[in-house]
Amino acid sequence: DQQVKQNSPSLSVQEGRISILNCDYTNSMFDYFLWYKKYPAEGPTFLISISSIKDKNEDGRFTVFLNKSAKHLSLHIVPSQPGDSAVYFCAARSQNAGNMLTFGGGTRLMVKP
Amino acid sequence: NAGVTQTPKFQVLKTGQSMTLQCAQDMNHNSMYWYRQDPGMGLRLIYYSASEGTTDKGEVPNGYNVSRLNKREFSLRLESAAPSQTSVYFCASSEAVAGTYNSPLHFGNGTRLTVT
Repeated sequence: DQQVKQNSPSLSVQEGRISILNCDYTNSMFDYFLWYKKYPAEGPTFLISISSIKDKNEDGRFTVFLNKSAKHLSLHIVPSQPGDSAVYFCAARSQNAGNMLTFGGGTRLMVKP
Repeated sequence: NAGVTQTPKFQVLKTGQSMTLQCAQDMNHNSMYWYRQDPGMGLRLIYYSASEGTTDKGEVPNGYNVSRLNKREFSLRLESAAPSQTSVYFCASSEAVAGTYNSPLHFGNGTRLTVT
């Protein structure tokens, strides 16, 4: 059973608009959440993270929101740019799982010019 | 700045053949990891090495072995490849415990392995 789920395999957005990528989790022991971006034929690169003691973290055009009661996090990209077109993975770390990150299945974002 | 380097980039094996995937990092990171990526499954941890001299199983270790050769290098071996091991394999490193503040994973560009 997947503990981290990204229920939308793909998302298409017009350039300049907001992109919202969603992620749900089931493990209440997760205490740190990360988003990674992946271009074709490259490895994932770290984008932004949030600790479970916060509900929002912002870095330029990227903002991550965490709703612990709903076990839901989202990544907002404003404004979206064609270069943002990639696969986005959310990941979570459990307090008692040491070095293990649990990843979601990914969402492919396409930003149309 | 090479970061994390994986070799080879592509490999085709026949069932039962063996091979070793190589990984090296030049960031002086303590921890290294091997993940596999399958469609819709995200990245799943195969093995990791929290520090030089230690290795531990991840979520999907069966059919694999690893060696932390030194601080820079972490190899993944398939002793008898099976079609279920067809996947994209990523090596990663981090300064400290994965996912902790200021210690994100840094990934290589992957090895695409096909087992026929």
